[in-house]
Amino acid sequence: DAMVIQNPRYQVTQFGKPVTLSCSQTLNHNVMYWYQQKSSQAPKLLFHYYDKDFNNEADTPDNFQSRRPNTSFCFLDIRSPGLGDAAMYLCATSTTGRKAKNIQYFGAGTRLSVL
Amino acid sequence: AQKVTQAQTEISVVEKEDVTLDCVYETRDTTYYLFWYKQPPSGELVFLIRRNSFDEQNEISGRYSWNFQKSTSSFNFTITASQVVDSAVYFCALSEATDSWGKLQFGAGTQVVVTP
Repeated sequence: DAMVIQNPRYQVTQFGKPVTLSCSQTLNHNVMYWYQQKSSQAPKLLFHYYDKDFNNEADTPDNFQSRRPNTSFCFLDIRSPGLGDAAMYLCATSTTGRKAKNIQYFGAGTRLSVL
Repeated sequence: AQKVTQAQTEISVVEKEDVTLDCVYETRDTTYYLFWYKQPPSGELVFLIRRNSFDEQNEISGRYSWNFQKSTSSFNFTITASQVVDSAVYFCALSEATDSWGKLQFGAGTQVVVTP
């Protein structure tokens, strides 16, 4: 089945140690998103890629970066994780175009712990 | 300003009871899309429904039904004869046509707890 896959499901890192989360999709969607979701809160958009164009949300810290080497893959890099970065990170995809329905499809998420 | 309001933080019901989740939205766009997503304890956000602003027809899918009323800017969601598996956080979301790449604006979510 076509889907959005996030690896790993659980990631533990140390304070200040760079970490990379990955997302892949078989939907061939042109838009990919990264969200941060903390406990009991709604997902918060960090940034998205529209094809190869990177779009950062105004309040996303510089500590968060992203790469999209091709249509299928997108990475979230946290350069120096702090305790406040412990959260669930969700990847999503959608497609644009005349017949697009603006539906975002989400992966299962990566739960990041910072020690 | 928050564009999607889910006033109910948590709803607890006993199995087989009906539960209605409220969602009120705010937008100046004439073309927009409304969504409901389910987030079970596993964490994945599961798409349930999309409704565009020109289609006010209510929809039923199994035990789920949605009531869209533009006059009150509401898009409410009802689960009929709830089951334990319905326990999850439910998010209402808005996407405005002016955001060509489909930005979702989420409500705060409503936790539904269904007990046997």
